[in-house]
Amino acid sequence: EDKVVQSPLSLVVHEGDTVTLNCSYEVTNFRSLLWYKQEKKAPTFLFMLTSSGIEKKSGRLSSILDKKELFSILNITATQTGDSAVYLCAGDSGTYKYIFGTGTRLKVLA
Amino acid sequence: NAGVTQTPKFRVLKTGQSMTLLCAQDMNHEYMYWYRQDPGMGLRLIHYSVGEGTTAKGEVPDGYNVSRLKKQNFLLGLESAAPSQTSVYFCASSYGGRSTEAFFGQGTRLTVV
Repeated sequence: EDKVVQSPLSLVVHEGDTVTLNCSYEVTNFRSLLWYKQEKKAPTFLFMLTSSGIEKKSGRLSSILDKKELFSILNITATQTGDSAVYLCAGDSGTYKYIFGTGTRLKVLA
Repeated sequence: NAGVTQTPKFRVLKTGQSMTLLCAQDMNHEYMYWYRQDPGMGLRLIHYSVGEGTTAKGEVPDGYNVSRLKKQNFLLGLESAAPSQTSVYFCASSYGGRSTEAFFGQGTRLTVV
């Protein structure tokens, strides 16, 4: 059975801290790993990773995929209160389905 | 730029009532999905569609039916609502083919009493 596991489940940090969110996966016919940020409503897309070892960056956020060890990490540097959200990762199974983890709830304190 | 639009945004149903949630996308996406999100459970796939006229079951399909009569619309039906179906429902769509991201609607908060 396909599954995606995220850790930690929740995290509280202070502004300026750096955080690392983890995502491990077991997904049949794996094609890509996606990261989303969910604030109050719809998840919004952050990154899609298809190749191992290649870092994707967007501002203070970066992510990398290890296809041998079946995991990905999402790093956020110099955190801000606006980074407070639930971060979701999902495996694209190649059978048109995205398998989501339960998410990591990040709270950044001022 | 509407993207993915869900209606309604909120609904309260009595046990046993039926309702239909509508999802519309204007991005000409082939694939569409219905997820439910419950506390501590993440997003779980209910049903999905890989094209007009096709549907398939996801992880948690029981108690739901879907239809994709037009490419841009994906309907989720509850024939006889149960309190266990209280949840937030998200529709999503994606281009498909090569790996592409899914775009989500704003969600429908459904309460069954």
